[in-house]
Amino acid sequence: KQEVTQIPAALSVPEGENLVLNCSFTDSAIYNLQWFRQDPGKGLTSLLLIQSSQREQTSGRLNASLDKSSGRSTLYIAASQPGDSATYLCAVPFSGGYNKLIFGAGTRLAVHP
Amino acid sequence: DAGITQSPRHKVTETGTPVTLRCHQTENHRYMYWYRQDPGHGLRLIHYSYGVKDTDKGEVSDGYSVSRSKTEDFLLTLESATSSQTSVYFCAISESGEDRNGYTFGSGTRLTVV
Repeated sequence: KQEVTQIPAALSVPEGENLVLNCSFTDSAIYNLQWFRQDPGKGLTSLLLIQSSQREQTSGRLNASLDKSSGRSTLYIAASQPGDSATYLCAVPFSGGYNKLIFGAGTRLAVHP
Repeated sequence: DAGITQSPRHKVTETGTPVTLRCHQTENHRYMYWYRQDPGHGLRLIHYSYGVKDTDKGEVSDGYSVSRSKTEDFLLTLESATSSQTSVYFCAISESGEDRNGYTFGSGTRLTVV
């Protein structure tokens, strides 16, 4: 059974730091991996979708990498800002299709000025 | 969120009462999903739909039922609410069921069962 784990559960950093959020999964037979952002009291916003054939995706200050063989993905945030404060979740599809997702519990990030 | 709305946004109900949550989309996407989010668990799939009147169970479906009579609406019903169903419920849509398409989430419904 696929399990998704995110470490650390919470992170507090000063503004300007580069940081790495980690996501690991137990079954490497995945089609893709997605990173989402969730602001308090809000829904999830898709940040990056990495297909299994790709090794990384970039969007602005965000860079996500995928290593299927080791069952790991990292989300790199460059030059963090207070506006980056949110919970970041990774997700992979269930086997069997229909684009059903299994989520990690998330990393709660606080960037302080 | 543009294209997908959930109602109500907040609800408090008593144990044993039926509750229906609504998800409405204007994107004409075929696939719709209901998840619940609890501290320490991330989001867990309750039910999903792959077309009108086509639904199936997710990993935490006990105590829940769903219906989809129109493409745009996906209803989640708690037949007899229990305190363990206190949670934040999220609806999501996907253009296709292929495991390479992204998701759009609604803003969520916070349900409290007292």
